[in-house]
Amino acid sequence: DQQVKQNSPSLSVQEGRISILNCDYTNSMFDYFLWYKKYPAEGPTFLISISSIKDKNEDGRFTVFLNKSAKHLSLHIVPSQPGDSAVYFCAASESGGGADGLTFGKGTHLIIQP
Amino acid sequence: GAGVSQSPRYKVAKRGQDVALRCDPISGHVSLFWYQQALGQGPEFLTYFQNEAQLDKSGLPSDRFFAERPEGSVSTLKIQRTQQEDSAVYLCASRGEGEYEQYFGPGTRLTVT
Repeated sequence: DQQVKQNSPSLSVQEGRISILNCDYTNSMFDYFLWYKKYPAEGPTFLISISSIKDKNEDGRFTVFLNKSAKHLSLHIVPSQPGDSAVYFCAASESGGGADGLTFGKGTHLIIQP
Repeated sequence: GAGVSQSPRYKVAKRGQDVALRCDPISGHVSLFWYQQALGQGPEFLTYFQNEAQLDKSGLPSDRFFAERPEGSVSTLKIQRTQQEDSAVYLCASRGEGEYEQYFGPGTRLTVT
């Protein structure tokens, strides 16, 4: 039973356009959400996070939106750049990111086309 | 400063062998996590340390898996009598006190033949 779902295994976007990556979760106890970016043969790199008390968090080209009632979050990247091509993982935590390990989705492979 | 480091980066083991994977967290980080990532999947939580105390080992798949962090810094994940299903990338992450974000190492790719 997957508690964090990323239903798009891959996404192709033209350079300069907006990339939107989606994530759904089922566990209503999750209260902190994170996005990680992963290149081949490297570990995941932290991108941006959001607490459940907020509905939006922005950091440069990256914005994460949280819709608690729909148990849905999305990552917007604008404008998309070639270096953004990677696998993006959505992750969630209970207890405010305290003691618990993160629960990850399966990832979405983002491909930025020139 | 330096990030999380892991060694070895690649390990090939014959079925039945024991392996030990090492993690050096970011200096000063009290929390350390181990994850297992199978091909095409997201990382899955294995175990968590706060300093030298192992506070959660609910994700360890069997009693063949054992983790330790005796001095509250470097950690070792040991897998006894490896099986083919243990083939995966093993990721270590650390987190500073009062922070939410976990910072990952490059992982150790274990292949059991």
